[in-house]
Amino acid sequence: DVKVTQSSRYLVKRTGEKVFLECVQDMDHENMFWYRQDPGLGLRLIYFSYDVKMKEKGDIPEGYSVSREKKERFSLILESASTNQTSMYLCASSLGLRTSGNVRAQYFGPGTRLLVL
Amino acid sequence: AQKVTQAQTEISVVEKEDVTLDCVYETRDTTYYLFWYKQPPSGELVFLIRRNSFDEQNEISGRYSWNFQKSTSSFNFTITASQVVDSAVYFCALTRGGATNKLIFGTGTLLAVQP
Repeated sequence: DVKVTQSSRYLVKRTGEKVFLECVQDMDHENMFWYRQDPGLGLRLIYFSYDVKMKEKGDIPEGYSVSREKKERFSLILESASTNQTSMYLCASSLGLRTSGNVRAQYFGPGTRLLVL
Repeated sequence: AQKVTQAQTEISVVEKEDVTLDCVYETRDTTYYLFWYKQPPSGELVFLIRRNSFDEQNEISGRYSWNFQKSTSSFNFTITASQVVDSAVYFCALTRGGATNKLIFGTGTLLAVQP
């Protein structure tokens, strides 16, 4: 079974703090994703990585950055947390097109509920 | 631009009722993939099914079935004889730009199954 883990289930931070959210997958997947989930808005893609050190902006990258130094780990960084970044953050991974030949499902971690005060 | 619409925000049924969750999508691509995910109260999204645009066969898996109709751009999900454990938020998703791994999600349907 695919296992995607996230460093924290719940996190409380203060405005202006630098926040790191870590995600690790154990299935050697090329692709990794960060989403945020807000009521009534569904899941919105923040960043996507298709290989080590490679990244693409998603729909709402402002205020976020990412790091992928190793294949299994994808970090989301909030450079200076703000109250409007209070949300549920979900990490996912999937096989890449090069490996699988077609589009495969994304597998999700349990999520991190971040509260910025 | 791609879009996924789940018009039903919340559905409430009584156990053993059948329920259908609607998903309507928009895309100009000829190759695309559709997905359904379940998000129980624990929060983790669970993959249910993937369908590509060339395969219009309906699929049944136990109490779950999916009806894919390209003519109406719909990919509906039916739960037969619903159970309390089916209570969750269900998301429909579509690949962006053809055969890409990036997905666009609908806003989800909250299904509450009452005992």
